[in-house]
Amino acid sequence: DQQVKQNSPSLSVQEGRISILNCDYTNSMFDYFLWYKKYPAEGPTFLISISSIKDKNEDGRFTVFLNKSAKHLSLHIVPSQPGDSAVYFCAASARYSGAGSYQLTFGKGTKLSVIP
Amino acid sequence: GAGVSQSPSNKVTEKGKDVELRCDPISGHTALYWYRQSLGQGLEFLIYFQGNSAPDKSGLPSDRFSAERTGGSVSTLTIQRTQQEDSAVYLCASSLAITGRGTDTQYFGPGTRLTVL
Repeated sequence: DQQVKQNSPSLSVQEGRISILNCDYTNSMFDYFLWYKKYPAEGPTFLISISSIKDKNEDGRFTVFLNKSAKHLSLHIVPSQPGDSAVYFCAASARYSGAGSYQLTFGKGTKLSVIP
Repeated sequence: GAGVSQSPSNKVTEKGKDVELRCDPISGHTALYWYRQSLGQGLEFLIYFQGNSAPDKSGLPSDRFSAERTGGSVSTLTIQRTQQEDSAVYLCASSLAITGRGTDTQYFGPGTRLTVL
């Protein structure tokens, strides 16, 4: 049973336009969400996070939106740059689940290609 | 400063052989995690070490998998009698255990790609 779902395996966007990556989750205990970015042959690197007490968090060109009622979050990148081309993973944790609250549950990832 | 390092970067082994994968966390990080990513899948949690506490082994898929962390630093993940379904990228991460929860940013190594023939 996949608790974090990224239904789009890939996305292509023109340079300068907005990239929107989507993520859905099923576990209502999740209350902290993260996006990681991964280049080939490298480990994932932390990009941005959001707590369930917020509905938006912004960091430069990257904004994460959280819709708790829909159990949906999205990552917006604007403007998109060729260097943003990578696999993006959505992850979630349940901070107050006691043991295991440090565990991150990851989606399968979305491969973003930004076309120059 | 140095990030998380893992060795080897690639490992090809025959079914039934044992393998050891190594992780050097960021200096000063007391928390260490192992994940694996099978083809087309997300990262799957395997095991968690925090300081001198007993590790959380709840993610290990079978008793063929074990891990240890010596001196609170370097960790070794051992897979005995490897099977073809063990083929995956094995990723190690470390973090400062500020909260001991998912809010502690995890820094990942480049991974070890294991191929079992």
